[in-house]
Amino acid sequence: GAVVSQHPSWVICKSGTSVKIECRSLDFQATTMFWYRQFPKQSLMLMATSNEGSKATYEQGVEKDKFLINHASLTLSTLTVTSAHPEDSSFYICSARVRHPSGANVLTFGAGSRLTVL
Amino acid sequence: GEDVEQSLFLSVREGDSSVINCTYTDSSSTYLYWYKQEPGAGLQLLTYIFSNMDMKQDQRLTVLLNKKDKHLSLRIADTQTGDSAIYFCAERVSGNTPLVFGKGTRLSVIA
Repeated sequence: GAVVSQHPSWVICKSGTSVKIECRSLDFQATTMFWYRQFPKQSLMLMATSNEGSKATYEQGVEKDKFLINHASLTLSTLTVTSAHPEDSSFYICSARVRHPSGANVLTFGAGSRLTVL
Repeated sequence: GEDVEQSLFLSVREGDSSVINCTYTDSSSTYLYWYKQEPGAGLQLLTYIFSNMDMKQDQRLTVLLNKKDKHLSLRIADTQTGDSAIYFCAERVSGNTPLVFGKGTRLSVIA
């Protein structure tokens, strides 16, 4: 089945540095990928929609200069957290839309990346 | 607007049935989904139901959809300790819109 691979799964960085998270579709092409941020109280917040070959679409309240998204190929989208601060510490999850064998469009998720900013 | 609501916690005994409920506000939702998240992991699709269906069963999972009340439920029969996780309800309004997720229900299974 369709697999989304996310890397790294866990990263610790110093405040002020930038961190890149990769999201790859392993056995399918993904023209669109979605980046979510999950807060400690469980809720999942859509940050942006990553579009291959064009600019990402950011949700309201998400700083595009802070969270840089690049979707350079049909199998890779990256999220770069620039000048990270402790409040950026979170669990970031990417996903891609795939067609289920039954015909429905479903989201397949990566395993997530835990970012801790010291 | 789109909004999906779920209760945050549910605790059941092993072997009992679990019922996780979800309400949504957008009557034009086309598909409704249930995802499972185990600790430290991403979300795994459990099942989904198309809006013109009332019920869908898949082994131990039964999804009920009441479109009139905009209510979706997930029943897990013979709940096992391995079912302990967070369960997210999500809706899709149209083919190109992102999914809207509820806050998730944390299911705890007591042995």
